[in-house]
Amino acid sequence: EDKVVQSPLSLVVHEGDTVTLNCSYEVTNFRSLLWYKQEKKAPTFLFMLTSSGIEKKSGRLSSILDKKELFSILNITATQTGDSAIYLCAVETGANSKLTFGKGITLSVRP
Amino acid sequence: DAGVTQSPTHLIKTRGQHVTLRCSPISGHKSVSWYQQVLGQGPQFIFQYYEKEERGRGNFPDRFSARQFPNYSSELNVNALLLGDSALYLCASSRDVDQPQHFGDGTRLSIL
Repeated sequence: EDKVVQSPLSLVVHEGDTVTLNCSYEVTNFRSLLWYKQEKKAPTFLFMLTSSGIEKKSGRLSSILDKKELFSILNITATQTGDSAIYLCAVETGANSKLTFGKGITLSVRP
Repeated sequence: DAGVTQSPTHLIKTRGQHVTLRCSPISGHKSVSWYQQVLGQGPQFIFQYYEKEERGRGNFPDRFSARQFPNYSSELNVNALLLGDSALYLCASSRDVDQPQHFGDGTRLSIL
């Protein structure tokens, strides 16, 4: 059975801190790994990673994938209160592109 | 461009009833997937449709069914509702099967 594990499950930081969110996986037929941010409702797409070692960046957010060690990290620098959300990691597998999600990491950024 | 739209936003049903949830994908997206998200968990895969054909099904009972129409919109049907079906039902669309999936705001289904 495909498995995605995120850690920590929650964390509280202060504005300006840097955070690292972890995602490890054990799946068959890996296609890609995706990160989403979920505030109230719809998970919002952040990154899609398919190749090891290539960092993807968007503003203060960056992410990298290690296909040998089967994990990914999402970094957020200079955190802001607007970064408070649940961060979901999902792995896409198989011909039907099914996404298997982790439980999510609840990030709270205090002013 | 409009994002993925789902209707209704909220729904209250009683045990034993059935429900139909609707999803319109982003224009140009041919793949639609359905997920169930219960509180405190990540979304769980229910179905994927591509070009109107079912391409994948998750570990859900036969009470769950879906279809995709020629305009790529989709419906999720759930029969004989149970209390445990209470959840946020998310629809996601992608341009193709190897493209990122983009989610709608979901339908919050409550079973009394």
